[in-house]
Amino acid sequence: DTGVSQNPRHKITKRGQNVTFRCDPISEHNRLYWYRQTLGQGPEFLTYFQNEAQLEKSRLLSDRFSAERPKGSFSTLEIQRTEQGDSAMYLCASSHRLGSQETQYFGPGTRLLVL
Amino acid sequence: GQQLNQSPQSMFIQEGEDVSMNCTSSSIFNTWLWYKQEPGEGPVLLIALYKAGELTSNGRLTAQFGITRKDSFLNISASIPSDVGIYFCAGQNTGNTGKLIFGQGTTLQVKP
Repeated sequence: DTGVSQNPRHKITKRGQNVTFRCDPISEHNRLYWYRQTLGQGPEFLTYFQNEAQLEKSRLLSDRFSAERPKGSFSTLEIQRTEQGDSAMYLCASSHRLGSQETQYFGPGTRLLVL
Repeated sequence: GQQLNQSPQSMFIQEGEDVSMNCTSSSIFNTWLWYKQEPGEGPVLLIALYKAGELTSNGRLTAQFGITRKDSFLNISASIPSDVGIYFCAGQNTGNTGKLIFGQGTTLQVKP
């Protein structure tokens, strides 16, 4: 399967714990995005990487959130001191831009529940 | 955060009927995309539109990029039970980061 993969698919944690999610993009894609989706809403942008450089962060990304893409391949999203409001689906998408055209392909997501 | 206005919010239709949903924005976009999401899964790309006025089909699905660049619609013809899911529109400006701005989704249920 050459699509975007995410691990774990589900995570249950207690408030105050740290969690880390991983995203493996489509191999030739140099752009990688993280989104968060809460129930009944569309995904909302969190942050964006072009290769290993993190080029934009949303105001939704508090200082408890950090994302990395160390070698321009896989990416990790860490949430420190989790809060109940962090419960959501975390989606990763990757893309490759050709001229002005760019299409993002999503992974299956990691569903986080903070108790 | 910023979101597009997508309507209707939900639809409950009979198998075989045609479906239409649309998305509007106060901002212009240079790309519109339509995704389908099923429970517990990530969005799956259905159609991508890159040019104002463009009309594109993918099987029973047809989508158009509005001339004003502020709207798009998706039609599904002759619906079948496997069309059930949540349909999202997304606008994108590739001149910036390329981040997607999503609508709130249209939940489609199809009665056999």
